[in-house]
Amino acid sequence: GENVEQHPSTLSVQEGDSAVIKCTYSDSASNYFPWYKQELGKGPQLIIDIRSNVGEKKDQRIAVTLNKTAKHFSLHITETQPEDSAVYFCAASWSAGRYGNKLVFGAGTILRVKS
Amino acid sequence: GAGVSQSPSNKVTEKGKDVELRCDPISGHTALYWYRQSLGQGLEFLIYFQGNSAPDKSGLPSDRFSAERTGGSVSTLTIQRTQQEDSAVYLCASSPTIRGQGATDTQYFGPGTRLTVL
Repeated sequence: GENVEQHPSTLSVQEGDSAVIKCTYSDSASNYFPWYKQELGKGPQLIIDIRSNVGEKKDQRIAVTLNKTAKHFSLHITETQPEDSAVYFCAASWSAGRYGNKLVFGAGTILRVKS
Repeated sequence: GAGVSQSPSNKVTEKGKDVELRCDPISGHTALYWYRQSLGQGLEFLIYFQGNSAPDKSGLPSDRFSAERTGGSVSTLTIQRTQQEDSAVYLCASSPTIRGQGATDTQYFGPGTRLTVL
């Protein structure tokens, strides 16, 4: 089955610096790669996603890149702010028709933005 | 609009008791997923519903776990004879469905139910 590895497990950056979180996946059939942000006591919130027919996607300060050949994808946050501090999860899924699109998650990255 | 809601937000129970966790998906979302988030295990898939049927139950860890969905909306996850290792946050997610294509891939999560088994 699919396996997703995520690095680093913790990341501390100074406010205004960039943060990069990387994930690798094992199943070449995976075609959808979302990133979730989870704040303490809350459920995961979708912040950006990318599909396998796209190499890069941006949304304001957040961008995601996908390398299908190498089976890895990355989250880039520029101009970090204290409110970006949270746990970030990458995930992968594939369209399984009537069996749905279950997500396989990475272990998470604790991002701390120091002001 | 309203997001996915779950109740209760917290549940403390004694080992051996049964518990029921409830999920209200986003209105109109026919696809519903349950996940479990526990320390050391991360987020793991439990079960997927399309309408009232569950074509993928592959993540349920034992026969003590069951789930149902009625009216294509509310879902209940039941854990019988709870064990301490069942302690975790149980998350529900829903996604819309495109006619003829099945569930879309984008999933929206609820706040979760934190279950503590003493």
